[in-house]
Amino acid sequence: EPEVTQTPSHQVTQMGQEVILRCVPISNHLYFYWYRQILGQKVEFLVSFYNNEISEKSEIFDDQFSVERPDGSNFTLKIRSTKLEDSAMYFCASRGTGGMEAFFGQGTRLTVV
Amino acid sequence: AQSVTQPDIHITVSEGASLELRCNYSYGATPYLFWYVQSPGQGLQLLLKYFSGDTLVQGIKGFEAEFKRSQSSFNLRKPSVHWSDAAEYFCAVRAANRDDKIIFGKGTRLHILP
Repeated sequence: EPEVTQTPSHQVTQMGQEVILRCVPISNHLYFYWYRQILGQKVEFLVSFYNNEISEKSEIFDDQFSVERPDGSNFTLKIRSTKLEDSAMYFCASRGTGGMEAFFGQGTRLTVV
Repeated sequence: AQSVTQPDIHITVSEGASLELRCNYSYGATPYLFWYVQSPGQGLQLLLKYFSGDTLVQGIKGFEAEFKRSQSSFNLRKPSVHWSDAAEYFCAVRAANRDDKIIFGKGTRLHILP
C-alpha cells in the first residue's frame, strides 16, 4: 500500500541552526501539507502546497519557514533558524486530486537544544 | 471558519466497558469527518472516516462513529475497550468539495483501568 515517508524520524539540532525535514508523498498526489504537534498538544496546520506554490499557510508559518518540492518526488520543510519552541513532531501529508482524505507520514520529531 | 471541539481532555474507562468520545464541528458546508488515534510518540493512524451515505461508519479496531448533522457531531464509540486502546484520539474535519486542509480537534486522551 502506498504511504507517505518522512525522514529522519528524529532530528536534534542546535538553536539557530537551519533544519530541513523531508517527505516523500504518495506518487501521483498533488496536494501536500505540513502539520506540527508540540508535545502533548493538538495537531496544527502549517501550510498547504499545490501546483508548486503555497495555497494556504497558518500564522505559525512565518518567514522562518519555507517549503519546496525540489525534484518532483520530495516535499521539504525548511526552518531557517531554529528556536527552542520549534521542538515538535512534524507531520507531512499528501492527497490526490479529488481525493477525500489526506495520508499522513509517521512524523519527524525535531528537538532543538 | 471551521473548527472541531472535543470537550473531553481525558477519559478513563475500565477494560471491557463501552466508550464514547465526543466530537462537535462547526462548518457551514458539508464536511468530511475523520477520527485518528495516536499512541505516545507515534504517528497518526486513521480509525475511520465519513464522506457521505450511511451516517454510521465502521472503522478499524472495532471502532464506529455516527454522523449527526442536526447536532453537528461525529462521536466515536466502541462497545468494549481493550487495554491497548489507551491512546490519544483526534477528531478532524475537512471541507467537502474544496481543496482544503484538515483541521484537528485538541484530542481526548483515553486511559484504561485494568
